[in-house]
Parts: sequence; C-alpha cells; structure tokens
Amino acid sequence: AQSVTQLGSHVSVSEGALVLLRCNYSSSVPPYLFWYVQYPNQGLQLLLKYTSAATLVKGINGFEAEFKKSETSFHLTKPSAHMSDAAEYFCAVTYSGNTPLVFGKGTRLSVIA
Amino acid sequence: DVKVTQSSRYLVKRTGEKVFLECVQDMDHENMFWYRQDPGLGLRLIYFSYDVKMKEKGDIPEGYSVSREKKERFSLILESASTNQTSMYLCASRKSGGNTGELFFGEGSRLTVL
Repeated sequence: AQSVTQLGSHVSVSEGALVLLRCNYSSSVPPYLFWYVQYPNQGLQLLLKYTSAATLVKGINGFEAEFKKSETSFHLTKPSAHMSDAAEYFCAVTYSGNTPLVFGKGTRLSVIA
Repeated sequence: DVKVTQSSRYLVKRTGEKVFLECVQDMDHENMFWYRQDPGLGLRLIYFSYDVKMKEKGDIPEGYSVSREKKERFSLILESASTNQTSMYLCASRKSGGNTGELFFGEGSRLTVL
C-alpha cells in the first residue's frame, strides 16, 4: 500500500531563510509524487509534480523538489522564504493516473519577519 | 481556466439532518473525488467515482453516500449528520488515464454540525 510521511507538522522559518519541507513515501512500484499548497480557507493548489522524468522538479513560486529513489524522499525546498509562503503544504503519492492520491498529514509553514 | 466549484463554502446543520454537498467541474473529467480534511489528519478519501453512475468507497466511507448522475456533478450526502462529521470537505477531479494523476480541487465546504 502506498503511504506518505511528512516530517514535522509545523515548520517555522525567518523571511529570506531556506525552506525545507520533508516528505518520504512508500510505494511498491514507481510513484507519481506531488506537492500541493493550501492557503487559509481555500482548496489545494498544485505546486509541482514528479512523473518519472527529471528527478529535480521545479514548480511555481520558486519551489522545487528532488526525487531520491534510494532515500524514498521527495523533499520540497525554496532558497528564500517570503511572507506569502505561509500556508499548509501537502505531499501526495499515487502509482498511476487511475488510482486515488494518498496524502500526507500536512506541514504548516510559518514565515517570521 | 479549469474549475471545480463547490456549491456551499460554509454550512451549519443540526444533528440528524440530511446534508447535500454539491460539486461541479467544467473540465470534462471522468474521475471525481471527495476528501475530508481535519487538523493533524491531512486529507482522507471518502468516496470516488471513475465515471457516471460509478462509485467506489475510499478509506472512510461510513456515514456518507455519493451520487454521480451526470459527468460534471458529484454529490456527497450525509444521511444523518453527526457532530463528528464537522469538517472541511474537499472535492477534486481529474482526467481519466492521464499520465500524472494530478487532481484539481474546489475551494472546500466547511461543515459544522451542532
């Protein structure tokens, strides 16, 4: 069965600092991996996705993630945090376009001025 | 622009009431999903549908049912609402057989059951 573990339910960084949100997955077959962002009182918006092409994936708003098969990880990074990055971030996994996504429990990112 | 629309952003219902949450997508997507979101628990799949009149149970279907009479519309039904169903409900859709599985989400329906 697929699963996703997000390490840290809450991460706090200073404005301008590196953002690192951790995601480890479990899948018996090559996965498709996603990061979604949710701003307060809104739905989820896709940040980026890995679909077995390049292992370093660039997304919107300056975020990127690297697929590391040996570590079963798909951590999300951004070199310099902005106040507008404060939101909840979800990692998700599936193994085909025809199976539901399985989501992690989310990481709330706070950005301190 | 692609759009998933949930009819009610905020609802307040009483215990025992029947509740309908409506979701419409304009992307001609075959697959539609209902998730429930609770703090510390992330998103949990309630039901999904691969096509019209089809439905599959997700991880937490108890206390819920769904209806998919038209391709663009997927309804979540709480037959007799209970306080433990107070939550944020998220509808999503995607194209069948796509090579990524990417979901498109509505803005959510926050349900409070008193």
